[in-house]
Amino acid sequence: GENVEQHPSTLSVQEGDSAVIKCTYSDSASNYFPWYKQELGKRPQLIIDIRSNVGEKKDQRIAVTLNKTAKHFSLHITETQPEDSAVYFCAASKYNFNKFYFGSGTKLNVKP
Amino acid sequence: DTAVSQTPKYLVTQMGNDKSIKCEQNLGHDTMYWYKQDSKKFLKIMFSYNNKELIINETVPNRFSPKSPDKAHLNLHINSLELGDSAVYFCASSPQSGGPSFHEQFFGPGTRLTVL
Repeated sequence: GENVEQHPSTLSVQEGDSAVIKCTYSDSASNYFPWYKQELGKRPQLIIDIRSNVGEKKDQRIAVTLNKTAKHFSLHITETQPEDSAVYFCAASKYNFNKFYFGSGTKLNVKP
Repeated sequence: DTAVSQTPKYLVTQMGNDKSIKCEQNLGHDTMYWYKQDSKKFLKIMFSYNNKELIINETVPNRFSPKSPDKAHLNLHINSLELGDSAVYFCASSPQSGGPSFHEQFFGPGTRLTVL
């Protein structure tokens, strides 16, 4: 089955700095990679996703990159704000198989 | 207008008891899931149902029995609760299982289960 590894487990940055979270996956058939944000005590919510036919996707201050050859994908947050503080999860899934394998999560702390 | 709802929000019970968590979605989605999030925040899939039929069962002890009376509901019944069952359980739904497109998982608010 798929194995998704996520690093780092915790990340502390100063407000305004950039944050990068990295994930690797093992199954080359995986072709959909969403990122979820979970604020303290709340439910995970999708913030951005990327499909395997795309190398990069951007939405305002967040971007995701995908390297299919190396089987890794990353979340980039620029100009971080305190409200970006949360746990971020990457996930991998594949076509016609609606099962999501989540990474272990990264706790991001943005210091004001 | 809550999309995915779960009850109860908190559940505190003794070891050995049997308890149920209910989940309902009003999004018209075909697929529903149960996830377990442990104290280390690791989010792991337990079950997935598509149109009331079980499609994924991730080596979960048979003390856990999901039930889907219709495609808008997926309840989780747990027998003989153990200390290790303490976690937050999230229900989720997505528009379809497989198919030509990929869909967001909509999570419920979670049920924090504490087994004493």
